[in-house]
Amino acid sequence: SSELTQDPAVSVALGQTVRITCQGDSLRSYYASWYQQKPGQAPVLVIYDKNNRPSGIPDRFSGSSSGNTASFTITGARAEDEADYYCNSRDSSGNHRVFGGGTKLTVL
Amino acid sequence: EVQLVESGGGLVQPGGSLRLSCAASGFTFSYYWMSWVRQAPGKGLEWVANIKQDGSEKYYVDSVKGRFTISRDNAKNSLYLQMNSLRAEDTAVYYCARDRFTSNSGWFDPWGQGTLVTVSS
Repeated sequence: SSELTQDPAVSVALGQTVRITCQGDSLRSYYASWYQQKPGQAPVLVIYDKNNRPSGIPDRFSGSSSGNTASFTITGARAEDEADYYCNSRDSSGNHRVFGGGTKLTVL
Repeated sequence: EVQLVESGGGLVQPGGSLRLSCAASGFTFSYYWMSWVRQAPGKGLEWVANIKQDGSEKYYVDSVKGRFTISRDNAKNSLYLQMNSLRAEDTAVYYCARDRFTSNSGWFDPWGQGTLVTVSS
């Protein structure tokens, strides 16, 4: 299968920890990358290669993987973390790329 | 500063054609794979196509295969997407992105600001 499945919406209280998951067969072979997208803006890479953060991405963001599930965790959510989050992976062939449907994160 | 700037979007009738461009700066363009990713209004991200450093390998999502062609000009630090036989469902913001991958991972960084393509009569 070349699909990645994410929960459409997740909420978290300010300062608490939230995990966003991404499921798909390709994740047994390839690590996911994660993107944050705020309204009217281009996506921004926040996690890559299992659990690496690009320069400038806060360390409260982390990633992990187990079996066919990749997870993105925010430890101590802040108001500015409210956004859509997308996972991405190489597909089972390795040549194509596939995105999850996205998770809308609300910080309460 | 690493930067990608797309251009060429606009309104086109169904069945029409459009060519998108992406100008790269701040990095050695010829060293990297490049991708196009699109986002329909109010919808999620969809990978469209990518191209190897020298243009010798190209891959497409099934929905655009045979209609879209990705290409690049390393001398001009530019990426292109030729879109033919456009359909209403191709309406989206189109982003170009630098495509990185290892043997067991892949990621897009950075992304351009996007260019809107609207297919409508």
